[in-house]
Amino acid sequence: GDSVTQMEGPVTLSEEAFLTINCTYTATGYPSLFWYVQYPGEGLQLLLKATKADDKGSNKGFEATYRKETTSFHLEKGSVQVSDSAVYFCALSGTSNTGKLIFGQGTTLQVKP
Amino acid sequence: GAVVSQHPSRVICKSGTSVKIECRSLDFQATTMFWYRQFPKKSLMLMATSNEGSKATYEQGVEKDKFLINHASLTLSTLTVTSAHPEDSSFYICSARGGRAYEQYFGPGTRLTVT
Repeated sequence: GDSVTQMEGPVTLSEEAFLTINCTYTATGYPSLFWYVQYPGEGLQLLLKATKADDKGSNKGFEATYRKETTSFHLEKGSVQVSDSAVYFCALSGTSNTGKLIFGQGTTLQVKP
Repeated sequence: GAVVSQHPSRVICKSGTSVKIECRSLDFQATTMFWYRQFPKKSLMLMATSNEGSKATYEQGVEKDKFLINHASLTLSTLTVTSAHPEDSSFYICSARGGRAYEQYFGPGTRLTVT
């Protein structure tokens, strides 16, 4: 079945460092791909998404490109801030349009001043 | 943006009792709501999908008689954990979908502790 694999965390970076969180997926057809962020004590928020191959999702300085050839959707940010500290989830939604999301295990990011 | 609320945010109950968690879409009509369970330092596990006015569809391995889901209106879904046990302690999160496809909006979650 469909699945999502994220890099193990936690990831600890200094402020203004470059961030990459790897995400790869297994799915039939052409799923939509998402990155969600969960700040401490809060629910998930959609960070960005891409619905077809080669699409680039971007928001708040974060970017991810839908790579069908490598089945990847890595999250990047050029310069992280302390306020970016959170748990990041990669997810996919299959082609059945049921709306079901399959999540990766989450990656905790801690940014130190 | 669309807002989804959950109530309560935290609940502590004794073993053997039942507890109800509400999920509301505040400013849109949710044709579909999803219930997830999140274990500590783990991903979200989809428990069930509920469509307004029809029975919920449970994922494999989720006991439908233990986790009762009702989606009585386009803005409200409830999850009732019946005869709770300590192993049911977890973070329960709902999400709602309405309008455009693929857009799901998540509630802030409910921390359930069963003593």
